[in-house]
Amino acid sequence: AQTVTQSQPEMSVQEAETVTLSCTYDTSESDYYLFWYKQPPSRQMILVIRQEAYKQQNATENRFSVNFQKAAKSFSLKISDSQLGDAAMYFCAYRSPPHRYGQNFVFGPGTRLSVLP
Amino acid sequence: GAVVSQHPSRVICKSGTSVKIECRSLDFQATTMFWYRQFPKQSLMLMATSNEGSKATYEQGVEKDKFLINHASLTLSTLTVTSAHPEDSSFYICSAGTVAGELFFGEGSRLTVL
Repeated sequence: AQTVTQSQPEMSVQEAETVTLSCTYDTSESDYYLFWYKQPPSRQMILVIRQEAYKQQNATENRFSVNFQKAAKSFSLKISDSQLGDAAMYFCAYRSPPHRYGQNFVFGPGTRLSVLP
Repeated sequence: GAVVSQHPSRVICKSGTSVKIECRSLDFQATTMFWYRQFPKQSLMLMATSNEGSKATYEQGVEKDKFLINHASLTLSTLTVTSAHPEDSSFYICSAGTVAGELFFGEGSRLTVL
């Protein structure tokens, strides 16, 4: 079974600075998807960024980018120019190809990010 | 992104009563929806996978008679907590997958059983 690990339960960053959240996963599949979700205090889960395993290029969404290392099974999230609104719980998630396992996601335990003014 | 609406956002009920939570995909059809439970400061725990027109698939340890799931249409799935007890108090979140493979979440429902 696939597992997702986030080794940093809590992180903090100064406003306007850059922070990197770590995520590693374990799978025997070669084709899969990886995601970062954000859960602010409102508890609404928000998709931050996604990466297809077959793509070598790292995904980028404005201030958010990932460092995807397939061989190392690592998928870190970098937040640049951190803003107060970035404070939230961040979950790394793995998803198998739909033709094999439907659309079930496996979530990591989460990293709580604090942004200091 | 796609919109998933969950209702009610908060519900308080007496022990022994049943509570229904609705999850709707507002701008896309979702053949599969997922129901999660989240305890304080923890990650999401998948309870069941809801498939339109068929029985839900429950995760190990989740009582299907306690947590009834119905996915009657491509845009609506419901979770009914039957004979609720205080230990059922939790945050319940639904999600729906898109053809592109992304998962969008409802706003969540906080259930408090007195």
